[in-house]
Amino acid sequence: GAVVSQHPSWVICKSGTSVKIECRSLDFQATTMFWYRQFPKQSLMLMATSNEGSKATYEQGVEKDKFLINHASLTLSTLTVTSAHPEDSSFYICSARDIAGSDYEQYFGPGTRLTVT
Amino acid sequence: GQNIDQPTEMTATEGAIVQINCTYQTSGFNGLFWYQQHAGEAPTFLSYNVLDGLEEKGSFSSFLSRSKGYSYLLLKELQMKDSASYLCAVRDSNYQLIWGAGTKLIIKP
Repeated sequence: GAVVSQHPSWVICKSGTSVKIECRSLDFQATTMFWYRQFPKQSLMLMATSNEGSKATYEQGVEKDKFLINHASLTLSTLTVTSAHPEDSSFYICSARDIAGSDYEQYFGPGTRLTVT
Repeated sequence: GQNIDQPTEMTATEGAIVQINCTYQTSGFNGLFWYQQHAGEAPTFLSYNVLDGLEEKGSFSSFLSRSKGYSYLLLKELQMKDSASYLCAVRDSNYQLIWGAGTKLIIKP
C-alpha cells in the first residue's frame, strides 16, 4: 500500500526558532500534498494544500509567511514553522494523493508532534 | 457555515456491535469518508461513500443518506484494538475535506 513518511516524528524547540518538517511519499508520486494541524481532542484542521512546482494554497487564517511550504518534487513537501511560539505546539500531519490512484483517497503520514518551549 | 457532527465519545463491549453516527451540513457534497485514528497517530482510511446506501467491508460497513445529510459507521465483532477515534469527513463542492471532531470509542472487556 501507499506509504507516507514524516520526519521528524517529534521535535522540541525553543521559542523564536524555526522547525522544518518533511513529508515524503515513499512508493508513489504525489502532485498534491496536504498539511493539517490537530490540537488535542480536536478535529484535523487543513492548513494548506501543497502542489508540486507551484505555490501552496493556504486556508483562511493560516499565515503563509509563518508556515512556509515547499513542494519541490513529486515525493517531497516540507513545512517550515518560522519563529515558533508555544501556541504553535501541535500535532502536524501531512497527507498525499497518489497521482496514479483514485481521486478520493489520501494517504496520511504518521504525524509530527511539535512542542515549543 | 459548514458543520460535521458526531458524538464525542461512545462505549461498547468487546464482541458487540456499535454504530457511530455523523450528520453534516456542507457547501456541496463530493463524498463522505470515515477514518480511524489511534491516539498519537495519523488517521487511516476506512471507507468512502458517495452514493446512498450501505457499503460493507468485512467487519465494518458505512451507510450514507445524502437527502438527510447523514452517515453511520457500523463496527461489528468489536475487538480491543478497535478502541480509537473515528473521524467523519465530507468533501465539499471545492473538493475540500471538512472534518468532524471525531468519536472516541472505548471498548470494555
